[in-house]
Amino acid sequence: DAKTTQPPSMDCAEGRAANLPCNHSTISGNEYVYWYRQIHSQGPQYIIHGLKNNETNEMASLIITEDRKSSTLILPHATLRDTAVYYCIGGSGNTGKLIFGQGTTLQVKP
Amino acid sequence: SAVISQKPSRDICQRGTSLTIQCQVDSQVTMMFWYRQQPGQSLTLIATANQGSEATYESGFVIDKFPISRPNLTFSTLTVSNMSPEDSSIYLCSVGQLTVNTEAFFGQGTRLTVV
Repeated sequence: DAKTTQPPSMDCAEGRAANLPCNHSTISGNEYVYWYRQIHSQGPQYIIHGLKNNETNEMASLIITEDRKSSTLILPHATLRDTAVYYCIGGSGNTGKLIFGQGTTLQVKP
Repeated sequence: SAVISQKPSRDICQRGTSLTIQCQVDSQVTMMFWYRQQPGQSLTLIATANQGSEATYESGFVIDKFPISRPNLTFSTLTVSNMSPEDSSIYLCSVGQLTVNTEAFFGQGTRLTVV
């Protein structure tokens, strides 16, 4: 599994877009990038994942650079409920194992 | 998505005792995993629970301390044996399917305090 690097913390104003970066320079060609978040005292929640192309779902958008060495998770209109620890994980789906780093603590402020 | 139930949701236990945590899924899943989250830390994978065979443990975790059972495709247990205060953590069950690059889902965890 690829090692990922994320900033330890970020702030975002409510209603603005939150852009969370992740570096995964050692990711291999068949490893997807997964994003999860953990709201205090709850189990991690799946957000989105992708391989090469940009992805969008009802929660977020994932932008992956062409060289796949980094990606950005975008929450288009952050709310106070989006305050959480966000984890970027490089993993292989055919094992199902997720190796968590330290993540980014996103604080959404009014 | 799968619905995962963990029991108990929390417990306070005496040192030297053991606690068994249950994980029940509402549908058959290929993969089941157990994680530990120590206070203020990220999640650490303990082991992969294999149906019908011994679990596969990650470095630093051993079967004698964390015995795991998985009798079928919807249920698994993790036992924390001979507990000490250092075992105070949240223990989480995760499930996924063995198809290419599908997402995994997590239970709400069991908050264990050892006194």
